[in-house]
Amino acid sequence: GAVVSQHPSWVICKSGTSVKIECRSLDFQATTMFWYRQFPKQSLMLMATSNEGSKATYEQGVEKDKFLINHASLTLSTLTVTSAHPEDSSFYICSASDPGGKAYEQYFGPGTRLTVT
Amino acid sequence: ELKVEQNPLFLSMQEGKNYTIYCNYSTTSDRLYWYRQDPGKSLESLFVLLSNGAVKQEGRLMASLDTKARLSTLHITAAVHDLSATYFCAPSSGATNKLIFGTGTLLAVQP
Repeated sequence: GAVVSQHPSWVICKSGTSVKIECRSLDFQATTMFWYRQFPKQSLMLMATSNEGSKATYEQGVEKDKFLINHASLTLSTLTVTSAHPEDSSFYICSASDPGGKAYEQYFGPGTRLTVT
Repeated sequence: ELKVEQNPLFLSMQEGKNYTIYCNYSTTSDRLYWYRQDPGKSLESLFVLLSNGAVKQEGRLMASLDTKARLSTLHITAAVHDLSATYFCAPSSGATNKLIFGTGTLLAVQP
């Protein structure tokens, strides 16, 4: 089956620094990937849609200058949290669809837990 | 803007009992997904419902979709402790098939 990986699985950083999270589709090519954020005991909130070769589409209320998304290849999207603050501490999850397979299916990565101190 | 409500938010049930989780959404959607999440983990896909009237079953779980009523249900039959988790529904929105997640239902099955 289609597999999506994320790296790192967890990261601790100091306030004011930037952190990059990678999302890879391991055995398929994904023209579109999605980034979600989940705070403890809450639901998943869609942050942005990452489009290969073009700018990401951000959901209302998500700061595009703070959460930089790059989708430079068909198998890799990155989310960079710039000038991180403690309130950015969260569980970040990406997902991708396989247009060459079951296009309606979405495959989720294992998530990245970010803690900002 | 698509909004999704699930109820109940929390469900405590005894093993062997049946129960239904409801998912209501506010605007038209062609597809609806159900996921399971264990503590500290990412999402596990349970069902993808692709059309009105769709019904899918896997083990003790059965999901259905009524697009006219904008309602999906996840029915649990003869619950067992291993089903304890948080369950999310997520209708899709737009041409990109982005998912909008419901509030989630925390299910605790007591032995």
